[in-house]
Order: sequence, then C-alpha cells, then structure tokens
Amino acid sequence: DQQVKQNSPSLSVQEGRISILNCDYTNSMFDYFLWYKKYPAEGPTFLISISSIKDKNEDGRFTVFLNKSAKHLSLHIVPSQPGDSAVYFCAASDHFASGTYKYIFGTGTRLKVLA
Amino acid sequence: DAGITQSPRYKITETGRQVTLMCHQTWSHSYMFWYRQDLGHGLRLIYYSAAADITDKGEVPDGYVVSRSKTENFPLTLESATRSQTSVYFCASSEAPGGGNQPQHFGDGTRLSIL
Repeated sequence: DQQVKQNSPSLSVQEGRISILNCDYTNSMFDYFLWYKKYPAEGPTFLISISSIKDKNEDGRFTVFLNKSAKHLSLHIVPSQPGDSAVYFCAASDHFASGTYKYIFGTGTRLKVLA
Repeated sequence: DAGITQSPRYKITETGRQVTLMCHQTWSHSYMFWYRQDLGHGLRLIYYSAAADITDKGEVPDGYVVSRSKTENFPLTLESATRSQTSVYFCASSEAPGGGNQPQHFGDGTRLSIL
C-alpha cells in the first residue's frame, strides 16, 4: 500500500498561471516532506521541503503547503514558466532505527507549461 | 566538478549475468543510497550506507549486493540479473542522516535493461 500518493499523473498549465501539484500521505509520523523535480535523462533535483511542524514554506516562485489534518500537501508554482516542465515527485521522510532517514516517494506528476 | 556520478549511464545485459553499477561522489558525504525507479512505483530504496563499511537494507534489497570500502564509492551489484530488475537506478548522497533540511542529492541514473 502506497504511503505517499500523487493521484494526478499529469497536469498542463499556461505560462504565467499558477501550477498546483498535490500529494497525499497516510503516515502521520512523517517528519519532513520534500519536492523533487526531474527532467528526462537526469536525476531528481531537490526543490523545496517543509517540516511537519510547519504549514507553509516559500522559496521564490515555489510554495509548499501542508495540511496535517487532511494528510495533504501541495506545491504551488507562481508564475509557471516553460522551464518548469518536468516530473515532480513528492517525498516523505521517515527514519530507520539506525537514525538514517529514508525517503518514501510518490509516483510523480508530469507538469507541462504551455507557452 | 564536484557532484555525484553514475556509470555506466546505459547497460544491456542478459539474465543470469552479474552486473555492477558504479556511484562516485566528491562531496565526502557520509550517507549514500541506491534507488530504483519503475512505472507506477516512484523511487524505491534498495540499500543505503551511513559510512564506509556500514550498509543496510532498504525497501527492495532482494537480488542486490552493495559494498562501501571507501566513503566516495558505493557500487551496486546484481549477482544474477533477472528481467524484473530492468529499471532505472539512481544513486544519492547526503551530508547528514537526511531529513528535509539536508536533502539527498541524486546522480543522473543508470538505465539497465535485462534481456
């Protein structure tokens, strides 16, 4: 059973508009949530994260919102640019007994920003 | 250039063969990770290492072996490749145990096809 879900496989948005990518999770013990961006033939690149004790984190055009009661987070990109076209992965961090963190990834959402 | 590099980028082999995927990082990060990416599953953790000579299993370790004799290298070996191990493999590293404020950094991946 997937603990981190991205239910929208794809999303298309006009350039300049807002992109909203969604992610749901099941485990209330996750302590951090992260978003990664991935271009074809490249590795995932860290974008932004949020601690479970916060409800919002902002970095330039990217804002992540966390709703703990709904076990839901979203990534807002404003304004969207063609270079934002990529696959976006939501991840939640938990930790092994050893203390090392493990990331549990969603299946990704492909964002296409139309010029 | 500093960073994390994976080799080879593409590999085709046959079932039953042994194959080793290489991962090298120049940051001197203590923590290193191997993931596989498959359609419908996102990225799943295979093995991780907290330091040289310390390795442990992730979510999907069966059929894989790792070693970490030097901090900068973390090879992944498929001892007897099977078709179900056809996937894209990503190596990652992080300075600290992880979490959201010290995210993992990924290489560009190895696309492995097993015929």
